[in-house]
Amino acid sequence: ETGVTQSPTHLIKTRGQQVTLRCSSQSGHNTVSWYQQALGQGPQFIFQYYREEENGRGNFPPRFSGLQFPNYSSELNVNALELDDSALYLCASSPSGSSSYNEQFFGPGTRLTVL
Amino acid sequence: AQSVTQPDIHITVSEGASLELRCNYSYGATPYLFWYVQSPGQGLQLLLKYFSGDTLVQGIKGFEAEFKRSQSSFNLRKPSVHWSDAAEYFCAVGDGTGRRALTFGSGTRLQVQP
Repeated sequence: ETGVTQSPTHLIKTRGQQVTLRCSSQSGHNTVSWYQQALGQGPQFIFQYYREEENGRGNFPPRFSGLQFPNYSSELNVNALELDDSALYLCASSPSGSSSYNEQFFGPGTRLTVL
Repeated sequence: AQSVTQPDIHITVSEGASLELRCNYSYGATPYLFWYVQSPGQGLQLLLKYFSGDTLVQGIKGFEAEFKRSQSSFNLRKPSVHWSDAAEYFCAVGDGTGRRALTFGSGTRLQVQP
């Protein structure tokens, strides 16, 4: 069983640019969540996708957007990058079913550096 | 809104010593509680979870945690720490809705002395 994978591993961008991060969910998981982890902090919830629809959003501006595809993989897009967007971006997938509420399996993350 | 507090930013223990990492949560209903571990440059690995039932839960790598509703706590314990346990530990609470979002504490960095 393949776990959650993310690409790229590392990325360097400059202020004002746009970036797309990718995530493949674990087999059988139909829900994908994205988190931002700034240096020395715990992860913060950005948003979640369930069956290709946004299913909740944290306190992040609209320049953070996402997509989920029919195979449940997902993209996180960030427009007009700011220095404070430098962080580790984590993708997590969840299996369906009420017994699996909130049980999320994390990928290794993408380290984004904005210069 | 729910919140999680991990009062200890950094803890150092000797190898073989016991460990307790503290976690306090704020949530209006019965919480879904988790402990994750993160090694440097890595993602998060689930150590254990509490949804309901027995308040003492066992996890992987010899870790356990106890849910105490009266104290709003979910402390992580291990009887004998190994050098490989050095990592960052995060407590998290789930909101119990279909959204399944997690709120994390700020983490406790564990250092293990030989």
